[in-house]
Amino acid sequence: QQQVKQSPQSLIVQKGGISIINCAYENTAFDYFPWYQQFPGKGPALLIAIRPDVSEKKEGRFTISFNKSAKQFSLHIMDSQPGDSATYFCAASRAYGGSQGNLIFGKGTKLSVKP
Amino acid sequence: GAVVSQHPSRVICKSGTSVKIECRSLDFQATTMFWYRQFPKQSLMLMATSNEGSKATYEQGVEKDKFLINHASLTLSTLTVTSAHPEDSSFYICSARVGGRGYTFGSGTRLTVV
Repeated sequence: QQQVKQSPQSLIVQKGGISIINCAYENTAFDYFPWYQQFPGKGPALLIAIRPDVSEKKEGRFTISFNKSAKQFSLHIMDSQPGDSATYFCAASRAYGGSQGNLIFGKGTKLSVKP
Repeated sequence: GAVVSQHPSRVICKSGTSVKIECRSLDFQATTMFWYRQFPKQSLMLMATSNEGSKATYEQGVEKDKFLINHASLTLSTLTVTSAHPEDSSFYICSARVGGRGYTFGSGTRLTVV
C-alpha cells in the first residue's frame, strides 16, 4: 500500500531526445505526486509536482502525465540536455487535508544525456 | 522562499563519537521535519518524523537511542548520531512541509565514520 515503483533504473538518452520515467503507486489516499532531481552529494530538488485532480502539468521542458485510474504517473523531459544528467526520484504522499504525511520515494532513475 | 539550511555538509568522525546535524527553516515555521538516510545509489529512506515540542516518531528498524532527534523550536530540528560506527556512514537529509507548497529539502550531510 505504501510502495512507489519506479522504472527504468537507468536511462541513456541522446541530446535533444525525450526522457521518460514512469512510476506506479498503490495507495489511493495519496494526493501529491512530485518529481525530484538529485545531483551527487546534494539534496533532492523539486522539479514539478501534480495533484490527482489534473491529468497533465507542464513546466518548461518538464511534463507530468497522471493516470488516476491506472495509478501511474510519468515524467517527460523534452529536448534533454547533458545538464539534465542526474538521478530522478518520483514520490507520493498524503500531503493535503491536514495530513503531515511524509513522502514515499521511488528507487530512482539515473539519467545520462549523451552529447 | 521556503529554504531549509542543513549543516554540516560533510563530517568525518571517529568510531564511538557522536555527531550532531542541524536543520533550520530560514523563512518559514517547520512544524514537522522529516529525516531521511540515503545510501550510495539508493533511494531516500525515512528514518523519523519530528514534530515541534513532542517526541519524534521513528520508522521500524531505526534505533531511537542511536539517532536522537530534537525539535525544540519551529525553526530548528537536530539529529544526533550517538556512538557512531562505520555502518552509520551515509547521506542524511532533512525535509519540511511548507504549507500548501509541498516539501523542501536540506542540502544533506555526508557522514563518514572512521
